[in-house]
Order: sequence, then C-alpha cells, then structure tokens
Amino acid sequence: EPEVTQTPSHQVTQMGQEVILRCVPISNHLYFYWYRQILGQKVEFLVSFYNNEISEKSEIFDDQFSVERPDGSNFTLKIRSTKLEDSAMYFCASRRGGPVGQYFGPGTRLTVT
Amino acid sequence: LAKTTQPISMDSYEGQEVNITCSHNNIATNDYITWYQQFPSQGPRFIIQGYKTKVTNEVASLFIPADRKSSTLSLPRVSLSDTAVYYCLVGDMDNQGGKLIFGQGTELSVKP
Repeated sequence: EPEVTQTPSHQVTQMGQEVILRCVPISNHLYFYWYRQILGQKVEFLVSFYNNEISEKSEIFDDQFSVERPDGSNFTLKIRSTKLEDSAMYFCASRRGGPVGQYFGPGTRLTVT
Repeated sequence: LAKTTQPISMDSYEGQEVNITCSHNNIATNDYITWYQQFPSQGPRFIIQGYKTKVTNEVASLFIPADRKSSTLSLPRVSLSDTAVYYCLVGDMDNQGGKLIFGQGTELSVKP
C-alpha cells in the first residue's frame, strides 16, 4: 500500500536556524498539506498546496514558513528562523482528489533549543 | 467547516463493539464525514468516510442518519491495539483546499 514518507523523523535545531522538513506524498495524489501538533495538543492545519501553489494557509503559517514542490515527488516545509514555540510534530498529508480522505505521513519531530 | 462534538473519552474491554457518536448540527450539503485514528507520536490514520446512510470497510462501519446531524463510528470487537484517539471531521472534501480541522477527539481506552 502506498504511503506518505517524511524525513527526518527527528530534527533538533537551535533557535534562529533554518530547517527544511521533507515529505514524499503518494505518487498519484494532487493535493498536499502540512499540519503540526504541539505535544499534548490537537492537530493544527498549516497549509494546503495544489497545482503548484498554496490554496489556503492558516494564521500559524506566517512569513517564516514556506512550502515548495521542487520536483515531481518531494514536498517541503521550510521554517526560516525557528522559534522555541515551533517545537512540534509536523505531519505531511496528501490526497488524490475528489471526496476522499487525506493520508498522513509518520511525522517529523522538530525540537528547537 | 462544521463544528463537531464528540465524547472526550471512552473505555471498553477487548472483544466488545465500540460506538463513538459525533454531533455535527451545522453540516452543509457538500460536507462529508470522515474519521481518523491517531496513536501517540504517529500521524492520523484515515479510517472511513461517508456522506449518508451506512458505509462499511474492513476496519469499521459508519452510520449516518437521514438528517446527517450526527454520525456513529462502530468498531467491531476491539482489541488492545485499538486504544487511540479517534477524530470525527466534517468538511467539503471536494474543493481545492480540503483542509482538515481537528478537534480534541475521543480517547478510547481498551482494557483486557
């Protein structure tokens, strides 16, 4: 069964550093998403991406965040200057199109020290 | 997106059927009902999705009454490995955004 994959599984970085989180969505999917989950809290939507552009973003997704689909397979989330409060699990998700569910990756645990 | 209300927690025993009900009084015509499962430190896992009546797959059943203001996820004969948080989400899955808005979910605890 196809899966969404994410790398790295755990990233530790210092405050102010840039990080790039990588995702490989399921190959025939058209819609891509990033979510985050701070420890003990609910899953929060960050951004959706379709047809090579952002379709929607949340208030969390400020100028420090950017997404890119640099080739036909990868989907990345960049945080330019990390803050302590960016520490969270970051999940990538994708869906095929139409009224079907999103499929989530295993997540990247980001720890900002 | 329609707001959902579901119990914060439920307890069950191995082998029992578990039914988790979700209220979504403001569901819109284009909205679908989707359930996800999440284990600690893992990504949410899609369980089932429906629009009306009953949907069944190898994992669960989803019952949706005619007015669609609620839905019930039914897990047959649960095991310890079904201990997880279950989320009910309602939204228009057929648009270009399709973002999911998660609530707190229902924490299901299955005991031996």
